[in-house]
Amino acid sequence: DAGVTQSPTHLIKTRGQHVTLRCSPISGHKSVSWYQQVLGQGPQFIFQYYEKEERGRGNFPDRFSARQFPNYSSELNVNALLLGDSALYLCASSEDITLTAFFGQGTRLTVV
Amino acid sequence: QQQVKQSPQSLIVQKGGISIINCAYENTAFDYFPWYQQFPGKGPALLIAIRPDVSEKKEGRFTISFNKSAKQFSLHIMDSQPGDSATYFCAAKEGAQKLVFGQGTRLTINP
Repeated sequence: DAGVTQSPTHLIKTRGQHVTLRCSPISGHKSVSWYQQVLGQGPQFIFQYYEKEERGRGNFPDRFSARQFPNYSSELNVNALLLGDSALYLCASSEDITLTAFFGQGTRLTVV
Repeated sequence: QQQVKQSPQSLIVQKGGISIINCAYENTAFDYFPWYQQFPGKGPALLIAIRPDVSEKKEGRFTISFNKSAKQFSLHIMDSQPGDSATYFCAAKEGAQKLVFGQGTRLTINP
C-alpha cells in the first residue's frame, strides 16, 4: 500500500508569491493534517481536516489556508510568502480523527 | 506554550548501548503518546506509541516507559545500532485534537 504522498518534494519561491502544496492520504484514511517543521524544531500543527471539514486550526496567520477534496486528498495554500515560511511542510493522514497519524515525506519550501 | 518538553537535545551512544530519551507533559487530558523517528530530509515515521493506562510497551528493541503520576514518558532503545542515528520526537495528543511535539533529540550511535 502506498503511504502518504506529497508533491512537490522541493519548491523554491520568491517573497510575496503564492504556493500550493498537495497531499494524498493513505487509501481509506479520511483525516488529513498539515504541519510546519522549521529546521531543528518539532512539527507545528497548521490544520486538520476530516470528512472534508476543517476540524482544527493552529496558530498560523490567515495567509495559510487549506481544503480537503471528496477523494480525501488535500491542498495547503500559502499567500504572500515570507522568508520565515521556509520550512518542511508535512502532511499526515489517519483513518479516523482520533487515531494514529502517518506522515508523508514532506515538501521542502524555500522562500528567497 | 510548550506542552511537551523533551530532553536531551542531543545524545551520543556507543554501538550496543542503551539510548534513553525523556519527555514530560503538562496537559493531563493527553491520552495518546507516540514516538517518531526522523531521518534528514524525510518525514517523521511512527516508531511506537502508548496510552496512559499502560506503564510500559515494548516492540523489538524499542520500549516506552510511562509514568502517569509524574506526567513523564521515555523511549529506551536497546542494543543501539548506527542505523538508529536519527532525530527522535515524542508527541502527545488529546482525543481528536492535534499532535503536540517535543523539540526533538538528535541521536548519534558511534560504531
